[in-house]
Amino acid sequence: AQKVTQAQTEISVVEKEDVTLDCVYETRDTTYYLFWYKQPPSGELVFLIRRNSFDEQNEISGRYSWNFQKSTSSFNFTITASQVVDSAVYFCALSNLISNDYKLSFGAGTTVTVRA
Amino acid sequence: DTEVTQTPKHLVMGMTNKKSLKCEQHMGHRAMYWYKQKAKKPPELMFVYSYEKLSINESVPSRFSPECPNSSLLNLHLHALQPEDSALYLCASSHVRDSLSTEQYFGPGTRLTVT
Repeated sequence: AQKVTQAQTEISVVEKEDVTLDCVYETRDTTYYLFWYKQPPSGELVFLIRRNSFDEQNEISGRYSWNFQKSTSSFNFTITASQVVDSAVYFCALSNLISNDYKLSFGAGTTVTVRA
Repeated sequence: DTEVTQTPKHLVMGMTNKKSLKCEQHMGHRAMYWYKQKAKKPPELMFVYSYEKLSINESVPSRFSPECPNSSLLNLHLHALQPEDSALYLCASSHVRDSLSTEQYFGPGTRLTVT
């Protein structure tokens, strides 16, 4: 069984503050993918990043950075110098790598509100 | 071009109507998905097509009928829906599982209201 926990339901920050979104996962599989998606008010889920379980390198993309720690089963996401356009619901998700299962296990999502 | 399109954007239908949702992608993906999303919840998988064949049906009621006419198109036929079926319906596509790049790309969704 797979489970993704995003303990933070809502986060509100003022523009230019940094915000970190927590994601903790459970899986019995040794190989898996982790993802982050952004869902702005318009509704479309936007793919942000995929991380393979065998690649623990952290990643930075502009103002976004991700910290993958297999030892603590966490895949946290930080937005640096937040902007109003970052306001959205952010989902962390997990997918098994080996099985023929296309399923994504989503966390409950964290709503980020960035105030001007 | 990483784009999945969906039509219509909004749909209001009565419980006796028959309607269809359409999804199209031109990314060369051979896996396509339908999800249902209720407010303040994550998406729930409904169906998966792989190489134009239905590979996963998550015990969805028969009033929802998917169809994959070709590798670029995915339809969801709706008939005799209930008010609780009102939701955002999202289509997604991805490479198939034997590829290392299996992230799903989502369309903007169809917001369905059943009256």
